[in-house]
Amino acid sequence: EAGVAQSPRYKIIEKRQSVAFWCNPISGHATLYWYQQILGQGPKLLIQFQNNGVVDDSQLPKDRFSAERLKGVDSTLKIQPAKLEDSAVYLCASSPTGQGGWSPLHFGNGTRLTVT
Amino acid sequence: AQSVTQLDSQVPVFEEAPVELRCNYSSSVSVYLFWYVQYPNQGLQLLLKYLSGSTLVKGINGFEAEFNKSQTSFHLRKPSVHISDTAEYFCAVSDQGAQKLVFGQGTRLTINP
Repeated sequence: EAGVAQSPRYKIIEKRQSVAFWCNPISGHATLYWYQQILGQGPKLLIQFQNNGVVDDSQLPKDRFSAERLKGVDSTLKIQPAKLEDSAVYLCASSPTGQGGWSPLHFGNGTRLTVT
Repeated sequence: AQSVTQLDSQVPVFEEAPVELRCNYSSSVSVYLFWYVQYPNQGLQLLLKYLSGSTLVKGINGFEAEFNKSQTSFHLRKPSVHISDTAEYFCAVSDQGAQKLVFGQGTRLTINP
């Protein structure tokens, strides 16, 4: 099966500019996650979708970050305006289900954002 | 809320030597435990998981981990490492009632010839 696709792979922007990342999960996966991985740290969950509804966005800086999952499939994560501390790798993951038991998370290769 | 502490940020070992990467977690509820590996410029790949049952869990690439509930630990081990094991390793925990992962800070494993 095709894996989680993310684009772009790399992005360099200046502070105060805006940027958007795109994620296409594995077909049929109901749950989609966006994680932020700052250099030298573990990934931190930003937002979790179940189909096209938000399950958890408690760690999303909502004054500048937004995310949507159109029709419960693809997702975009946007930052506006970007700050220097937003430099990180943004990882998208998907899993088959979000309720009961446990389903493995499949990660994409990430988008590396550099804010100058 | 859960948290994970990986006790070593970097572990250098010689090829064919054994290695242990340490992980402790904190949680007020029952948890699932995981180890992920991240090779340079790649996403995270699941090495192994503990969901229930035997506390000794075997994963891919010859890795294993042991769940110790009394010590709230989930240390990762391999009896003989190879150059190809050079990567960043992340321990993660998930509340059994939720489908989301909380990661540790990572341990960079460097294999010297």
